[in-house]
This record gives sequence, C-alpha cells and structure tokens, in this order.
Amino acid sequence: EAGVAQSPRYKIIEKRQSVAFWCNPISGHATLYWYQQILGQGPKLLIQFQNNGVVDDSQLPKDRFSAERLKGVDSTLKIQPAKLEDSAVYLCASSLDPGTVKAFFGQGTRLTVV
Amino acid sequence: GENVEQHPSTLSVQEGDSAVIKCTYSDSASNYFPWYKQELGKRPQLIIDIRSNVGEKKDQRIAVTLNKTAKHFSLHITETQPEDSAVYFCAARGAGSARQLTFGSGTQLTVLP
Repeated sequence: EAGVAQSPRYKIIEKRQSVAFWCNPISGHATLYWYQQILGQGPKLLIQFQNNGVVDDSQLPKDRFSAERLKGVDSTLKIQPAKLEDSAVYLCASSLDPGTVKAFFGQGTRLTVV
Repeated sequence: GENVEQHPSTLSVQEGDSAVIKCTYSDSASNYFPWYKQELGKRPQLIIDIRSNVGEKKDQRIAVTLNKTAKHFSLHITETQPEDSAVYFCAARGAGSARQLTFGSGTQLTVLP
C-alpha cells in the first residue's frame, strides 16, 4: 500500500524567500493535515482539510503561510516570506475522514531557513 | 483547545527492562489516544492506540492504559530491545468537529545494551 508522499525531502532557503511543499495523501483519504515539527518538539497542527475544504486553520500563521487542496487530493503548503523560526520539519498526514481515527504520516520536508 | 503534557522527556533503560511514558490531557471530551514512534529522520509511525471506552490495550510487548477520570494515559514497553530506541509521542484527539490530534512534546527513549 502506498503511503503519504511528500516532496521535497530537504530545502534550504534564505530568510524572506518563499518556499512550497507538496503532499500526496493515501488514496481515498479525505482528511489531510499539515503539521510543523520543530526540533525536539511534538508535531503542531497547522491546517486540516476535509476533501478540498478547510476544517481547522486556527494555528496557521496566515500572514505568511497558506495552503490549498484544490481537487481534494494533493495539497501544497507555502511560506512567503520565510523567517528563521520557520526552520522545522513539515509533516503531512492523512486519514480516511475525521471520524476514522488512524492518521498516517509522510516522511516530511526538512526546511532550513538561513 | 486540547493540551497534552508528556513525561519524561528522556528515558534510559537497560535492555530487557520495562519503560513507562505518561501523558495527561486537558479536554475531557477527547476520545482517542494514539502513540507514535519516530526514529531519527523518519516519519512518526503509529504503534498502538486506545479509544476512550477501553481502559487497557495490549499488543505483544507494548500496552497502553487510560484513566479517563484522571485524564491520563500511559505507554508501557516490556522486555525492551535496542531497536525500541526512538522518540515516542502521545496524542489526544478532541471530539469537536475538526477532531484534531494534539501531540505531546515527546520522550526520547534509549535502550542500553
């Protein structure tokens, strides 16, 4: 069974530049999550989609972060402009739906802002 | 929102000994509690989970217990092996419309040979 796919695996950018991450969830999974994991901490939810609609984006810094899931499958997360404190691993996860409890994670994208 | 606290942040045990990691949560409506294992540079992997209508669940060497009254749950690993060394995260899923997962801060488990 194919898992959650993310790209790129690593990205290094300078502060004030922009960056985008891509996620392809497990086939058939309607719910997609983006998490930010800062080194030494647990994953923090940034945004949750149900199909192509946003269910929860209360912790997304909307002045610089944006995310979309236009066709209810793949999703992109963008940061513009990046700050040093955005350095983290960005994890995408998916589940069949919010009521289906098991969520599966992708490998993540490690972002370093210099 | 939900707040999950996890202890200890680091744990070292001798191979063959047991390891226990504890978490507390704040939202009494939370109804699902998974545990994830994350090896260095890899994705979090679900290792065991428990729903709020169950007090204990076991899968080979790992078990999870839940005390809803006290709002805490624990991961127990018996007969630890070096390959158990990793960071372990607990999480709690709220019962709101979003049913989001809130994670603890993680426990670095080291099993010494």
